[in-house]
Amino acid sequence: QKEVEQNSGPLSVPEGAIASLNCTYSDRVSQSFFWYRQYSGKSPELIMSIYSNGDKEDGRFTAQLNKASQYVSLLIRDSQPSDSATYLCAVNAQGAQKLVFGQGTRLTINP
Amino acid sequence: DGGITQSPKYLFRKEGQNVTLSCEQNLNHDAMYWYRQDPGQGLRLIYYSQIVNDFQKGDIAEGYSVSREKKESFPLTVTSAQKNPTAFYLCASSIGGGGDAEAFFGQGTRLTVV
Repeated sequence: QKEVEQNSGPLSVPEGAIASLNCTYSDRVSQSFFWYRQYSGKSPELIMSIYSNGDKEDGRFTAQLNKASQYVSLLIRDSQPSDSATYLCAVNAQGAQKLVFGQGTRLTINP
Repeated sequence: DGGITQSPKYLFRKEGQNVTLSCEQNLNHDAMYWYRQDPGQGLRLIYYSQIVNDFQKGDIAEGYSVSREKKESFPLTVTSAQKNPTAFYLCASSIGGGGDAEAFFGQGTRLTVV
């Protein structure tokens, strides 16, 4: 079982709709969770971090964490064509010294 | 401006050559990381360092070497033992080790074997 799993997509969403990206992780003691956005040919940029159960909102982005289900998600409201990118989920484990990344979900927003 | 600088942006290597990728940060971060990304794939950890003069192997360390002689610098050498080095290499840093802190990336080095 991979440590961090994401659906590789592609996920296609119409402009203005809500895009929902999901991530599951295997290490039950994971404490910190991050979402990165990566445009084609570019390096990843951090868009959200979440550390406790529940929702965290930042503009059009909402991260949701459920530690009991070992599940973290990212919602993008009012999707724009500029949101088209690959979204990477990253997880650490308590006491671990590294971030582990999922394989990323490619998102396409259709005008 | 604070940030992470990787150089060069593009690098071409002949078969059998060692090459060194540079990574410098002026964020005063303790932890630094090297990842490899292949087309359509996620990031795989090569090496990481939480403190000067100390580093640990990641998941795919074979064929690579690193040093951490200064806090701000974490160069990666791709040796001739790495049989398939063509990839996008990303350096990252975070304020502390442990993976709890947010990691920020440099612009990457695209390495191609010719």
